[in-house]
This record gives sequence, C-alpha cells and structure tokens, in this order.
Amino acid sequence: GNSVTQMEGPVTLSEEAFLTINCTYTATGYPSLFWYVQYPGEGLQLLLKATKADDKGSNKGFEATYRKETTSFHLEKGSVQVSDSAVYFCALNKAWEGGSEKLVFGKGTKLTVNP
Amino acid sequence: GAVVSQHPSWVICKSGTSVKIECRSLDFQATTMFWYRQFPKQSLMLMATSNEGSKATYEQGVEKDKFLINHASLTLSTLTVTSAHPEDSSFYICSAKRGQALSTFGSGTRLTVV
Repeated sequence: GNSVTQMEGPVTLSEEAFLTINCTYTATGYPSLFWYVQYPGEGLQLLLKATKADDKGSNKGFEATYRKETTSFHLEKGSVQVSDSAVYFCALNKAWEGGSEKLVFGKGTKLTVNP
Repeated sequence: GAVVSQHPSWVICKSGTSVKIECRSLDFQATTMFWYRQFPKQSLMLMATSNEGSKATYEQGVEKDKFLINHASLTLSTLTVTSAHPEDSSFYICSAKRGQALSTFGSGTRLTVV
C-alpha cells in the first residue's frame, strides 16, 4: 500500500541554519507529493507540492524536489527563521480517481528554531 | 482564501457519552469533507470521506456506528463520537474541498474521554 516515512523529530536549529527534513514514500503509480505545515494552534496549511517526477515545489523559501528514482521528497530551506517553528507533514495523494482525494501523511516532524 | 472552521477545539467528556464535532467551510461550498484522526506521534489517518447529501464512505477498520458523520449542507459536516470511551481520545481533524481543488484543513479538535 501507499505510505510516507519522514524523519523523526524533534529538530532544533538556530536561526539562519540550513534545514533538511527527509521524506520518502512508497506508492503504486505516480502520486502527487505535498508538504504541509501546522503552526501552533492552527490547522494544516499546504506549504508546497509537486505532481510529477523532477518537479520542484517551492514556497516561503522552502523547496522540495520530486525524486522518483529515490522515491523521495526532502524539504529544505537555506536559512530558517524563528517563525518557521511548526510541525511539518509530508504527504502523498494517489492520482485522481474520479476526482477523489486520499491523502496519506507521514508522522510529522516538529521543528523549533531558536533565536 | 478558503477557510475551514472546526469546533470545539478541545472537549472533555465522560465515558459513555456522545460528542459532536463540527466542521464548517466559511467562504466556500464544500462538495467533499474528510475526517482524520491523529494519535500521539502518529500520522493523520483518514477515517471517512463525506459528500454533501450522501452517506459517508468509511475507511477500512473505522466503525461507522461509532463515528457518525453527517454532511447535511455544503458548508457543514459533523462527526459524532457515540458512547465514547478512553480509547477514543485523540486529535480529530477535518478538511473540506470544492471540486478538484486541494483540501483546506480545520484546526482540529482534541477529544479526551475520562
């Protein structure tokens, strides 16, 4: 079946440090891949996405590249800020089945950025 | 942008009672709503998918008589945990979408059954 494995946290970094959160997936076919972010007390927000191999999703300085050969979608940011402190979820969505959506999430990685 | 409101944000109830959680799309009409459950340090697990005006589709292993889902309008879906027990304590999150747009998530409900 489909599954997502992301690095366990928590991750603690100093401001302006480089961030990598690893994510690998198992899926049949060609899923779409996503990173969601959950700030304290808020719902999940879509951070970025990629729908096919070699696509790069980017938003707010974060990037992730869909690597089919390694079945990975690692999240990176060159210089983190205190405001990036949140829980990050990697997820996949099977190709549309009549417009249906079935997101499969990783366990989430809590990031804390200290000033 | 699309906003989804979930209420209550947290609730404590006694074992054996029922609890209702609401999920509302505030500025769009949601043709489909989803309910997820998250155990501590675990992934969000899809419980069920509901389309307005039709019965919810439950994922394998989710008891439909335990977790009643009603999607009576295009802006409201409710999840009722019936005869709640301590093992039902969890974080429940809804999401809503219109057509083929990506879902917008609510902020979740922390349920504690004592």
